[in-house]
Amino acid sequence: QLQLQESGPGLVKPSETLSLSCTVSGDSISTSNYYWGWIRQPPGKGLDWIGYIFYSGSTYYNPSLKSRVTISADTSKNQFSLKLASVTAADTALYYCAGSWGDGAFDIWGRGALVTVSS
Amino acid sequence: EIVLTQSPGTLSLSPGERATLSCRASQSITNRYLAWYQQKPGQAPRLLIHGASSRATGTPDRFSGSGSGADFTLTISRLEPEDFAVYYCQHYGSLITFGPGTKVDIK
Repeated sequence: QLQLQESGPGLVKPSETLSLSCTVSGDSISTSNYYWGWIRQPPGKGLDWIGYIFYSGSTYYNPSLKSRVTISADTSKNQFSLKLASVTAADTALYYCAGSWGDGAFDIWGRGALVTVSS
Repeated sequence: EIVLTQSPGTLSLSPGERATLSCRASQSITNRYLAWYQQKPGQAPRLLIHGASSRATGTPDRFSGSGSGADFTLTISRLEPEDFAVYYCQHYGSLITFGPGTKVDIK
């Protein structure tokens, strides 16, 4: 059974880089046709797509975040990661990693990791 | 970039009633790449519908999706107590966008 688990610091200072990892268990992140994505949700608000990495390594980012976002994969650890640079309080959110086989409709989600941006 | 609008913002209904949720796109969505998610407090979203009308694994058949082009609908035929939640539509493809959500609460 495919499972995802986010990990990383829960507190990041303004102007620094937010870094999160998502460990995948139950299948390889290199399996054909998988999309591995990051979605965030500010407290009390809706869902905001950050980006995804395709099984082949191609990446796609939300245009509004593209200049600050990097998503990468480490096949040796079966993980994919998110880096968001130059964070502000507006980046405070629950960050979810998610997976989709084939199309980008995410059918498997992690439990989420709360990241607060504060000095 | 496709912008999704959901209506109504809040839908107040009683158990057993029918719920009709709307998702409208700023331009036509190709290949019917439209999904619906349910989110309950303290939980991650759960995929209900993909491809506009295909139920995801485990989605009860009281949930149905319909629509094409730029107008899509999620219908819950008879609300069960566990269906009171927030529902999001999502366009997917090279880029992904989510709608702002519709909250279905108990009247």
